Amino acid sequence: DIQMTQSPSSLSASVGDRVTITCRASRYISSYLSWYQRKPGKAPKLLIYAASSLQSGVPSRFSGGGSGTDFTLTISSLQPEDFATYYCQQSYSTPNTFGQGTKLEIK
Amino acid sequence: EVQLVQSGAEVKKPGESLKISCRGSGYSFTSYWIGWVRQMPGKGLEWMGIIYPGDSDTRYSPSFQGQVTISADKSTSTAYLQWSSLKASDTAMYYCARGASSSWYGDYWGQGTLVSVSS
Repeated sequence: DIQMTQSPSSLSASVGDRVTITCRASRYISSYLSWYQRKPGKAPKLLIYAASSLQSGVPSRFSGGGSGTDFTLTISSLQPEDFATYYCQQSYSTPNTFGQGTKLEIK
Repeated sequence: EVQLVQSGAEVKKPGESLKISCRGSGYSFTSYWIGWVRQMPGKGLEWMGIIYPGDSDTRYSPSFQGQVTISADKSTSTAYLQWSSLKASDTAMYYCARGASSSWYGDYWGQGTLVSVSS
């Protein structure tokens, strides 16, 4: 299985901050990387697919980058509704594993 | 509007069987993959497996192979996740989600089904 490792595991930030979350694959996954946002009591929401493509309806303050084994999710200016847990997921090979999650909290 | 609607919460005893469902609407059910994802209490997301309802091609995570069965009924646009003998460790929230290909990521998700297994 391909292991996905996110860092940091948790992050405190303020409204308006720029934050970056990283995701590293244990081996090459090209650009087969997605990012999700999950809030308590809600289903995960797709933000980014194919490493850098913004899902329809997702605000442009979210952006994704990287290829190969190293990837980033950047939120350019945090809004109150962005405080949530974020997961990366590889779809290069089955099982399509998720990272362990990054909890973004209000400072 | 694309929707995936899952069956309601279940409370079961160890050893019992269970089949939960995920009904798709607003799109061609047989043209997209359906994936199942587990979230145990306080834990992260785990990819269980996917099915292509068009031909029932099914792929499982090794961690779940033999532990669950994924199936789909084209006639009712419904995918299923089934256990033959539940364990307490199956207690979790289970989500279904739609994906466009076998390189699966979920673009639309169901609301989740909470399964509680306790004696």
